[in-house]
Amino acid sequence: EIVLTQSPGTLSLSPGERVTLSCRASQSGTSLQWYQQKPGQAPRLLIYAASSRATGIPDRFSGSGSATDFTLTISRLEPEDFAVYYCQLYGNSLWTFGQGTKVEIK
Amino acid sequence: QLQLQESGPGLVKPSETLSLTCSVSGGSISSIDYYWGWIRQPPGRGLEWIGNIYYRGSTYYNPSLRSRVTLSIDTSRNRFSLKLSSVTAADTAVYYCARMAVVGGACDYWGQGTLVTLSA
Repeated sequence: EIVLTQSPGTLSLSPGERVTLSCRASQSGTSLQWYQQKPGQAPRLLIYAASSRATGIPDRFSGSGSATDFTLTISRLEPEDFAVYYCQLYGNSLWTFGQGTKVEIK
Repeated sequence: QLQLQESGPGLVKPSETLSLTCSVSGGSISSIDYYWGWIRQPPGRGLEWIGNIYYRGSTYYNPSLRSRVTLSIDTSRNRFSLKLSSVTAADTAVYYCARMAVVGGACDYWGQGTLVTLSA
């Protein structure tokens, strides 16, 4: 079983700040994705294959990493970016989600 | 624009079977490039993958739920379904259907989600 650990659990930040979220896997998989979820909404795909932005995602969002260590960076927080972020690893025909990181307004 | 819509009872009794259907519009469920899957989220908690089905009928299940989950697909009606047996309070959640890429596994389209609660 692959376990994804996201850190930190919560980040309290102000608009305009730079954000770095971490996702660590207990073992490597095929592909790592990042999603954003706002209250009452379905998750939205931000990044696929570790570093490729999904359609319509602003370029302030970027992903990096490989093997078992991955990072989502938001270069400058906009008011609409306050949300919960999940990483998801695909491998061996299994899909695993991290527990999420909440980015809240300071 | 692809759209997915979950439907089914919002209340299920303990020990009974939860049944949901996801109707897909704006695209074919018979695409060779995608799986069709279910993901759930208990209130206030994170996302849990339940399982996926391919248009030809092959299935992939979360090992922790495998014994209770059955997925099926109806390509003629462009929809797929979830059955979860022997439900308990721990199965109370928002259930999402989603499209997942065969290459890379990204979930790029999601339904709005439907809350399923266990009744007394």
